[in-house]
Amino acid sequence: IQMTQSPSSLSASVGDRVTFTCRASQSIDSYLNWYQQKPGKAPKLLIYDASSLQTGVPSRFSGSGSGTDFTLTISGLQPEDFATYYCQQSYSTPWYTFGQGTKLESK
Amino acid sequence: QVQLVESGGGVVQPGGSLRLSCAASGFTFSHYGMFWVRQAPGKGLEWVAAIWYHGNNIYYEDSVKGRFTISRDNPKNTMYLQMSSLRAEDTAVYYCARDRVAYGDSPGIFENWGQGTLVTVSS
Repeated sequence: IQMTQSPSSLSASVGDRVTFTCRASQSIDSYLNWYQQKPGKAPKLLIYDASSLQTGVPSRFSGSGSGTDFTLTISGLQPEDFATYYCQQSYSTPWYTFGQGTKLESK
Repeated sequence: QVQLVESGGGVVQPGGSLRLSCAASGFTFSHYGMFWVRQAPGKGLEWVAAIWYHGNNIYYEDSVKGRFTISRDNPKNTMYLQMSSLRAEDTAVYYCARDRVAYGDSPGIFENWGQGTLVTVSS
């Protein structure tokens, strides 16, 4: 299963509402997870099963979608949110695949 | 708290071997599926191998099948990745990760990650 993220990079300002898109090459129901990665650090799980917020993740992060189209939204961008975001499907266990990532940069 | 610590990375010549370790603490290791995920320099994330909590289900990404071996020692709370016939394209930071759900029949949500260990394959 191919995962395609768009855009590959995004410029935004603190306080903005930002949306990332992830598309699967076939239906993956709601088996879609989102990760945040900062330079030199390990990825961090943000959202699992398309819309469930991981414990400890701020509520400004939200996920939606099912089937083939998914979105991750940050409502009220904070300075610490500038990072790269990856989607990952866990439908086709164990052949997990990640999207290529979307880099969120400061405008 | 959950802690995963990778070790064993380094520089190795093409065709060489290396064994990575992932030491786990802060949770009951034998209850969780575990994974290796890698990231080549400047690139995205790539799943490499998975082992179910009981160790009876093991899977590999196609490009490493036959060259890499994942294993776990539950009494030692440690997972391993034995890598052989290494190629330049195996150069990456290797992360170990833990599944979100205990006793998962279909693990696949990477809830906790180690800090990674760098493997460089170069002559």
